Amino acid sequence: GAVVSQHPSRVICKSGTSVKIECRSLDFQATTMFWYRQFPKQSLMLMATSNEGSKATYEQGVEKDKFLINHASLTLSTLTVTSAHPEDSSFYICSARVSGNYGYTFGSGTRLTVV
Amino acid sequence: AQSVSQHNHHVILSEAASLELGCNYSYGGTVNLFWYVQYPGQHLQLLLKYFSGDPLVKGIKGFEAEFIKSKFSFNLRKPSVQWSDTAEYFCAVLKAAGNKLTFGGGTRVLVKP
Repeated sequence: GAVVSQHPSRVICKSGTSVKIECRSLDFQATTMFWYRQFPKQSLMLMATSNEGSKATYEQGVEKDKFLINHASLTLSTLTVTSAHPEDSSFYICSARVSGNYGYTFGSGTRLTVV
Repeated sequence: AQSVSQHNHHVILSEAASLELGCNYSYGGTVNLFWYVQYPGQHLQLLLKYFSGDPLVKGIKGFEAEFIKSKFSFNLRKPSVQWSDTAEYFCAVLKAAGNKLTFGGGTRVLVKP
């Protein structure tokens, strides 16, 4: 149980275009989801906390206009990287907190390459 | 600001050797502690977690961790590793009243057959 499905797993896009990443909770409702970024050989850095039905909370230094987060339902959160540039190339991971056992479950990640 | 430190960035060892990965955190209040593993090409998976009670926590795949409050540490151990334990290991801390995990820098473990 408590599975988070993330799509796409890999995406290559041209500079200046936008890319949407989806994160779905398959067998539970996630009122809160988290978006992380992981650079090569580095740890996960929290970008933002996504709350169903309200605005996301962004961590310091994360551009909210560049990384648009939408959490319109209890099972879906999306991250849109707008006007992507090569420096946005990274591994993006979503996560959801599972109620009851205070655990977190993670998506399989999205490898974004901007060319 | 809260931080989580993992002392070893890379560890190389042979099968059947014992493994211990260090994790220290800086937050002084009540915390929940986690160890996650990321196998090559796969997503993060929970190895074990500590919330309260016995500070020696046993997780999956023969891993255990000990919470030492006085040292702000939560070190991960496995008595005898296997080649399949090759992965990256992340320590994470959650403030008891919060909902955001803070991750350590990760430790890449390579087990030679």
